[in-house]
Amino acid sequence: EPEVTQTPSHQVTQMGQEVILRCVPISNHLYFYWYRQILGQKVEFLVSFYNNEISEKSEIFDDQFSVERPDGSNFTLKIRSTKLEDSAMYFCASSGDDRQAFFGQGTRLTVV
Amino acid sequence: AQSVTQLDSQVPVFEEAPVELRCNYSSSVSVYLFWYVQYPNQGLQLLLKYLSGSTLVESINGFEAEFNKSQTSFHLRKPSVHISDTAEYFCAVSEDNAGNMLTFGGGTRLMVKP
Repeated sequence: EPEVTQTPSHQVTQMGQEVILRCVPISNHLYFYWYRQILGQKVEFLVSFYNNEISEKSEIFDDQFSVERPDGSNFTLKIRSTKLEDSAMYFCASSGDDRQAFFGQGTRLTVV
Repeated sequence: AQSVTQLDSQVPVFEEAPVELRCNYSSSVSVYLFWYVQYPNQGLQLLLKYLSGSTLVESINGFEAEFNKSQTSFHLRKPSVHISDTAEYFCAVSEDNAGNMLTFGGGTRLMVKP
């Protein structure tokens, strides 16, 4: 069964450092997403990406965040200058036209 | 804007007992509804979905959910739970005019006891 793959599974970074979270969506999907889940809180939408551009983004997705699909297979989330409150589980997801989103296993980001 | 409420943060239940996990949503437009399950230390897996058609939808492992438009609910049920059903369950909504963005409820931790 096709799956969304995320790397790394766990990343520890110092406050102020840049991090890049990587995702390989399902190959024939056209829509890509990032969500995050702060420990003990809801899963929150960050951004959606379609046709090589951002289609929607939430208030959380400020100038510190960016997404890219650099090579037609990977989908990355970059946080330019991490803050303690960026510590969370970050989920990548992808979907086709049927609105069924498939999620990756997540990357646990810990900012120290 | 849509919102999703899962009234129970935790539901303890004995093995082989029935269970219902409640989900209510608010939206002014047509919605699509989903239940995702998260097993310990794993990602989110789609359990079942309502997009259109029959309001009762079923999963392959015995769960079912019914879309009730008048009550704006999409409760998840299983007539007899197993230890292996212990997990966090998330209800999610996508609005018809909001692309494919999902809004999640706070989650319900189902704890099945022997």
